[in-house]
Amino acid sequence: EVQVVESGGGLVKPGGSLRLSCAASGFNFNIYNMNWVRQAPGKGLEWVSSIVGSSTYIYYADSVKGRFTISRDNAKNLLFLQMNSLRVEDTAVYYCARDLSDYSNPLDYWGQGILVTVSS
Amino acid sequence: DIQMTQSPSSLSASVGDRVTITCRASQSISNYVNWYQQKSGKAPKLLIYSASTLQSGVPSRFSGSGSGTGFTLTISSLQAEDFATFYCQQSYTVPYTFGQGTKLEIK
Repeated sequence: EVQVVESGGGLVKPGGSLRLSCAASGFNFNIYNMNWVRQAPGKGLEWVSSIVGSSTYIYYADSVKGRFTISRDNAKNLLFLQMNSLRVEDTAVYYCARDLSDYSNPLDYWGQGILVTVSS
Repeated sequence: DIQMTQSPSSLSASVGDRVTITCRASQSISNYVNWYQQKSGKAPKLLIYSASTLQSGVPSRFSGSGSGTGFTLTISSLQAEDFATFYCQQSYTVPYTFGQGTKLEIK
């Protein structure tokens, strides 16, 4: 069974850092692109970042570029999101999602989400 | 960035109704559109990808169509479990933007 499970969320002060992890199982992790998507309280979905299986190509939303870093450890089936210089507006539930790697790169498996709260 | 505009933002309907949600892209994106359903407090669920391909396990009452800048998600006969918020997403180019969502409520 395919599963992705996020961890590492919590409360952090503005300007602080947090590292999210996503543990994947039930599929050949190293051949799938992976993504982070977030959802601020009561708001819609916002794509944050993508990384291809080999880590050769990495993409970010402008809102996080230069502050967030996506990475992966294919040997351990783990995806990461290092979040630095956090802002109040980064408060959201963060989802890890697998890219089906079909024509339109749909996100076919999502984790349950992890809450990140940035507040003083 | 490509803007995805959904309409309506909210919709009230009854069980058995036929419902259509529209998504318009700010530029042509071929058929690089995916549709998701999100129930309250849950992760989104993929319904349709590549504008019209039904994801495995999704009931056939869901269908998608469109190409270029205009796309639709149709539910042919609403069931009680379908009430949720629906999002379109373009994957033509990064950033992979989502529509603002359409909240489908029970009339």
